[in-house]
Amino acid sequence: NAGVTQTPKFRILKIGQSMTLQCTQDMNHNYMYWYRQDPGMGLKLIYYSVGAGITDKGEVPNGYNVSRSTTEDFPLRLELAAPSQTSVYFCASRARDAEQYFGPGTRLTVT
Amino acid sequence: KQEVTQIPAALSVPEGENLVLNCSFTDSAIYNLQWFRQDPGKGLTSLLLIQSSQREQTSGRLNASLDKSSGRSTLYIAASQPGDSATYLCAVPGAGTALIFGKGTTLSVSS
Repeated sequence: NAGVTQTPKFRILKIGQSMTLQCTQDMNHNYMYWYRQDPGMGLKLIYYSVGAGITDKGEVPNGYNVSRSTTEDFPLRLELAAPSQTSVYFCASRARDAEQYFGPGTRLTVT
Repeated sequence: KQEVTQIPAALSVPEGENLVLNCSFTDSAIYNLQWFRQDPGKGLTSLLLIQSSQREQTSGRLNASLDKSSGRSTLYIAASQPGDSATYLCAVPGAGTALIFGKGTTLSVSS
């Protein structure tokens, strides 16, 4: 049981490039989330999903897209990367009304 | 809009001391509260989940309490150790089932 896994661990992008952050969970959780964490700002919700085929925007969705074709996977797509997207990205999942489990994070730098 | 505040932002104590971390939230209509630990450069590790029907949860040297009516939770750490040094985050459910986080308390335990 690996829990929540994220790839890559680190990435440097040039302005305008695109990339996909991968997230997979093996706990059969319906609920999945993407957060970003910036120094001094806490964690902010980007997108979330309550099941395969269902996604919705969080607090800071601009510049990102998601899809949820399976229960296990919840990739986050960055189109046209900007310096403001330099951050640490965390994927999380949970069962209904249960505790939330986090992946190890992806540290992204956009230069 | 739900807001979560953690005081103090930073705390330094000598090894062996008992300590309390505080978390307050503005909307008392929550169904649970979760405490996390985050080590530098790492992901979030769930410590305790308290359901709204509970007043306390214990795990080893950690004890978390929840008082919904006053909008407060505390995390009590007994006999602190240098290995307890980390940032501690509390979080409550927000709109769309995701979590709303406080900015954390950074704890340093000196030997």
